[in-house]
Amino acid sequence: SQELEQSPQSLIVQEGKNLTINCTSSKTLYGLYWYKQKYGEGLIFLMMLQKGGEEKSHEKITAKLDEKKQQSSLHITASQPSHAGIYLCGADRDDYKLSFGAGTTVTVRA
Amino acid sequence: ETGVTQTPRHLVMGMTNKKSLKCEQHLGHNAMYWYKQSAKKPLELMFVYNFKEQTENNSVPSRFSPECPNSSHLFLHLHTLQPEDSALYLCASSQVPGGAYNEQFFGPGTRLTVL
Repeated sequence: SQELEQSPQSLIVQEGKNLTINCTSSKTLYGLYWYKQKYGEGLIFLMMLQKGGEEKSHEKITAKLDEKKQQSSLHITASQPSHAGIYLCGADRDDYKLSFGAGTTVTVRA
Repeated sequence: ETGVTQTPRHLVMGMTNKKSLKCEQHLGHNAMYWYKQSAKKPLELMFVYNFKEQTENNSVPSRFSPECPNSSHLFLHLHTLQPEDSALYLCASSQVPGGAYNEQFFGPGTRLTVL
């Protein structure tokens, strides 16, 4: 089965600073999804990447998929309190279902 | 109402109780999913329904019983649960369970505590 490893497990960043989260797969990624979750709530879809080298941005969040399609990064520029939460990466499995990483908890300090 | 809704949002039950979780999607999707989310662990896929037919039961104990009466509603019936079943239960839906990609839309979850 697809295994996804996220790093770091958690991070604390000063408001206004940048941060990066990584998601590494043991297999080639067919589709890579980034979701955000506020504690105890559902997941909100952020972005989806499919092609090697692909990069997408939405507001201050940028996600990249490497050329080999085994690693993705999520970068937040000039973090704000609204960026706090748990970020999860998910990947399409061979059977078209999703596997998820364990998540990265982001805390933004004012 | 839009999106994926789940009720109740919080549930506390004893090990001998019987309760049900409800999920409803208003997106016209054909596939629905139950996930279990425990602290510091990846989301665990429990059940998948495709056009009301169960296509996956991911080795889930029989004390969890899913029901999908139509493509918009999904239930998870609970009975004789164990304390380790305490978790956030998330429902999701997608247009199709296959195809080029599989963007899933999630409900807010039900926080279950088993005493």
